[in-house]
Amino acid sequence: KAGVTQTPRYLIKTRGQQVTLSCSPISGHRSVSWYQQTPGQGLQFLFEYFSETQRNKGNFPGRFSGRQFSNSRSEMNVSTLELGDSALYLCASGQDGNEKLFFGSGTQLSVL
Amino acid sequence: DAKTTQPPSMDCAEGRAANLPCNHSTISGNEYVYWYRQIHSQGPQYIIHGLKNNETNEMASLIITEDRKSSTLILPHATLRDTAVYYCIVRPYTGTASKLTFGTGTRLQVTL
Repeated sequence: KAGVTQTPRYLIKTRGQQVTLSCSPISGHRSVSWYQQTPGQGLQFLFEYFSETQRNKGNFPGRFSGRQFSNSRSEMNVSTLELGDSALYLCASGQDGNEKLFFGSGTQLSVL
Repeated sequence: DAKTTQPPSMDCAEGRAANLPCNHSTISGNEYVYWYRQIHSQGPQYIIHGLKNNETNEMASLIITEDRKSSTLILPHATLRDTAVYYCIVRPYTGTASKLTFGTGTRLQVTL
């Protein structure tokens, strides 16, 4: 079974631009969560989607948004990028009734 | 979710058992203890979880004290590939793995 796939692996953007990150969950998983990891703040929960609906949301500004498609693939968008958005963005998938989360390798975003 | 306290770092010789402690003195009756680890440049990986009984799987053993205020993750024969940051997370069972709250974890260094 293929794992969680995130693309791209690395991304460089400049301040003010927007970015879209993609995540393909493990086949059969309907829950997709996104996390931001920075050296200063550690791993922080962004949001979770289940069956195309946002089910949980972390404490991030509205510039961070996401969506989930009918095939469970998810995208995360960050608009008006700031230097502080430089981070590793991790996607994780899971199944209801099973509390294991399976993470991808992440997208390393650098904002210059 | 209950707060957890872990030592920031630990060393272990290859082939020896690695015992990683976690303090969760405010844990409530419906909260489980979860362990994840993150190897450099990868997403976190689920290891094991438990409520009150000791648990063992192919990766590790989890020992929870009788009062449930602390636990220990045991890697019975640590290898260099076990070098990672280990996260102890306490949260209620929700039927999903959504919205995990990661602390700062313990950086385990396995040496020859």
